[in-house]
Amino acid sequence: NAGVMQNPRHLVRRRGQEARLRCSPMKGHSHVYWYRQLPEEGLKFMVYLQKENIIDESGMPKERFSAEFPKEGPSILRIQQVVRGDSAAYFCASSRQGSSYNEQFFGPGTRLTVL
Amino acid sequence: AQSVTQPDIHITVSEGASLELRCNYSYGATPYLFWYVQSPGQGLQLLLKYFSGDTLVQGIKGFEAEFKRSQSSFNLRKPSVHWSDAAEYFCAVGAGNRDDKIIFGKGTRLHILP
Repeated sequence: NAGVMQNPRHLVRRRGQEARLRCSPMKGHSHVYWYRQLPEEGLKFMVYLQKENIIDESGMPKERFSAEFPKEGPSILRIQQVVRGDSAAYFCASSRQGSSYNEQFFGPGTRLTVL
Repeated sequence: AQSVTQPDIHITVSEGASLELRCNYSYGATPYLFWYVQSPGQGLQLLLKYFSGDTLVQGIKGFEAEFKRSQSSFNLRKPSVHWSDAAEYFCAVGAGNRDDKIIFGKGTRLHILP
């Protein structure tokens, strides 16, 4: 079984450009979580999605950030008009069902660098 | 809302020595508790988890953790560390409700001396 896939693994953008991060969950998983990790920080929850639904976006910045998990295809985290402070590692995790009772499996992350 | 504190940002131990990484949580009810490990440049891997039952939980790679309700702690232990254990370790807590999320601590980076 393939694990959680994230691409690209590394992404470089200039200030003002858009960044699109993709996450393909494990087979059979319909719940996706996005986290951001800054140096010396833990993982900060951003958003929790099920297919075609945003369940919890309490960790998402109010502006420039959006996420989707369409019926077909990967989940996308989009950052518009990136700024230097967006430079971080972004991790996606998936689980078979919701609730913290169910183990989340993590992808290898996308490391975003904003020049 | 639940929260997690890992008091030690860095820990250094000698290879072969014992290890204990501290984790304190805050949650009103019985929490779901996790320890994850992250090797450099990698994603997170689950070491072990506690939901209920026996308060001493065995995990992968020879790790164990003990849930102590009276101390709101879930410390991770290993009797003898290997150089390959050098990594960052994250404690996490969940409420276990439907559509609940997991809250992570800031992590403890483990360094191993030869």
